[in-house]
Amino acid sequence: GGIITQTPKFLIGQEGQKLTLKCQQNFNHDTMYWYRQDSGKGLRLIYYSITENDLQKGDLSEGYDASREKKSSFSLTVTSAQKNEMAVFLCASSIRTHGNTLYFGEGSRLIVV
Amino acid sequence: QQKVQQSPESLIVPEGAMTSLNCTFSDSASQYFAWYRQHSGKAPKALMSIFSNGEKEEGRFTIHLNKASLHFSLHIRDSQPSDSALYLCAVSIDKVVFGTGTRLQVSP
Repeated sequence: GGIITQTPKFLIGQEGQKLTLKCQQNFNHDTMYWYRQDSGKGLRLIYYSITENDLQKGDLSEGYDASREKKSSFSLTVTSAQKNEMAVFLCASSIRTHGNTLYFGEGSRLIVV
Repeated sequence: QQKVQQSPESLIVPEGAMTSLNCTFSDSASQYFAWYRQHSGKAPKALMSIFSNGEKEEGRFTIHLNKASLHFSLHIRDSQPSDSALYLCAVSIDKVVFGTGTRLQVSP
């Protein structure tokens, strides 16, 4: 079995600051995702990547950048942190994009002060 | 832009009851339909998935899919307190879009 590791578990930053979340997977999966979850509600897609160096925007990409420099890692940057985007950010991976189970990390909680 | 909605938003059922959760989607070209479960403070985990119209059963869980009505559902037979969680439906064409979530509480 594999694992998805998200770091840090908690990220505290100031309003307007640029903040980066990291995700590593050892499944050797092609596709990776970043979702945002507000207050235990549904997941909203920020970015996904179908292979190394590929980036695809989700419905919530404004205000975020992403990077997939290696197959095993996918990072997400909040370009200017705002208090209304305090949420849990979930990274996931799947073998391919379509029709395959997603495996999730435990999440990173963003706190903006 | 795919829209995925779930109902109800929250639900309380007694132990042993049948639980039914609903998911509607907007794009008739959708090809992959799944349910995930997320216990409090944990990562979402896949429960089961379906690709074609009809029904699929795994243990106490059953999925129904009706593509023509843009609707699929999850039914939990003999609900247990350990089933208390946030349930998320997911739909995919080129990317996986999740629903708004249903919070289920099963009371002993």
